[in-house]
Amino acid sequence: DSGVTQTPKHLITATGQRVTLRCSPRSGDLSVYWYQQSLDQGLQFLIQYYNGEERAKGNILERFSAQQFPDLHSELNLSSLELGDSALYFCASSVDVMGKGTEAFFGQGTRLTVV
Amino acid sequence: GQNIDQPTEMTATEGAIVQINCTYQTSGFNGLFWYQQHAGEAPTFLSYNVLDGLEEKGRFSSFLSRSKGYSYLLLKELQMKDSASYLCAVYDSGAGSYQLTFGKGTKLSVIP
Repeated sequence: DSGVTQTPKHLITATGQRVTLRCSPRSGDLSVYWYQQSLDQGLQFLIQYYNGEERAKGNILERFSAQQFPDLHSELNLSSLELGDSALYFCASSVDVMGKGTEAFFGQGTRLTVV
Repeated sequence: GQNIDQPTEMTATEGAIVQINCTYQTSGFNGLFWYQQHAGEAPTFLSYNVLDGLEEKGRFSSFLSRSKGYSYLLLKELQMKDSASYLCAVYDSGAGSYQLTFGKGTKLSVIP
């Protein structure tokens, strides 16, 4: 158990809908990262937050948004869903902004299926 | 930006040694990580290199050459449970903010 909690584990929804994925980081971790992993694809970096503020943005679609709350949990909002958004969405957390020798710990992921 | 290359698949025999290579191009290198990921599961941390040289951790070792933009993960005494994808990830500050970018991963199959 990495200590990072993601809910829900599975989500099935229809095209055009909106969903919210939730992540609780490890106790004491200030940074939260979101990644998307499609079938047989690598981890695509979406966005990173540090202590409530956005720190880095990757290939995140305009239909997607995220935030980190004062209690440090984070939510990833996906709207106007398309079939191609079906993927595993991972959240990871680390003690601080990386580059100081601290690894990111990953949650078990949310498997999103858009039908 | 970042460009990370690693072989797509490798096969090795139980008990043997395998080396998984990773080459990268970054504009602001700040460390390289290796992760293991079993299918459908979360990636788990294996190793971290920020200085040139070899880091050893039990059956796993990782090497870094910053001048060559090159790293490898060495797995010794392979076990069947080592069958997984191995992800090379680079921490890059070139875009003005720190970003952890992953390669597509190397799927390792360990055969008896």
